[in-house]
Amino acid sequence: DGGITQSPKYLFRKEGQNVTLSCEQNLNHDAMYWYRQDPGQGLRLIYYSQIVNDFQKGDIAEGYSVSREKKESFPLTVTSAQKNPTAFYLCASTPSNRDREDQPQHFGDGTRLSIL
Amino acid sequence: AQSVTQLGSHVSVSEGALVLLRCNYSSSVPPYLFWYVQYPNQGLQLLLKYTSAATLVKGINGFEAEFKKSETSFHLTKPSAHMSDAAEYFCAVSPIYSSASKIIFGSGTRLSIRP
Repeated sequence: DGGITQSPKYLFRKEGQNVTLSCEQNLNHDAMYWYRQDPGQGLRLIYYSQIVNDFQKGDIAEGYSVSREKKESFPLTVTSAQKNPTAFYLCASTPSNRDREDQPQHFGDGTRLSIL
Repeated sequence: AQSVTQLGSHVSVSEGALVLLRCNYSSSVPPYLFWYVQYPNQGLQLLLKYTSAATLVKGINGFEAEFKKSETSFHLTKPSAHMSDAAEYFCAVSPIYSSASKIIFGSGTRLSIRP
């Protein structure tokens, strides 16, 4: 079955530590996205990538970094500069790098990050 | 600026009763609209989408939504609630002539089903 795999499911970060969340897709989708979800709020876009070796900042990119070295992989690093990292992180993808606005997004099952 | 409002952060209905989850958007031009469902500790799953082909859109699991331009609404309904419908539901708007990265999600409505 094709889909998006996020790992780990739960992650704990110590103060001053960088952590990396994995996102892998076998849907052959061009575009990939990272969202942050906080209780009682909608999803907020952190970063997105429409093509390999290229990515753009979303609405809340500060304290985060990404890379897109392979089409199927889009890891997110939560750096120590992100002072409030506790949240549920969702990775998503869409088929086309034309970034069409009518394309629904396919989501992984998320990673829950907490502070120790 | 585009926005989407979901009225009611929590809705509770009895099993077998009508489900109505409200979504209003603000836009001068009708956007593309989506409803997603999220079960605990999972990602979002597409229920249905409106892309101007028809105002009444049927989705999975017996859900449907009606686009009403005059009311700028896209409410989600299901005639008879089932226990398995308990989840969080998100309405999302994607501005026309923009891009998938510009999609805006509502704050969500948690649906509870009473036995």
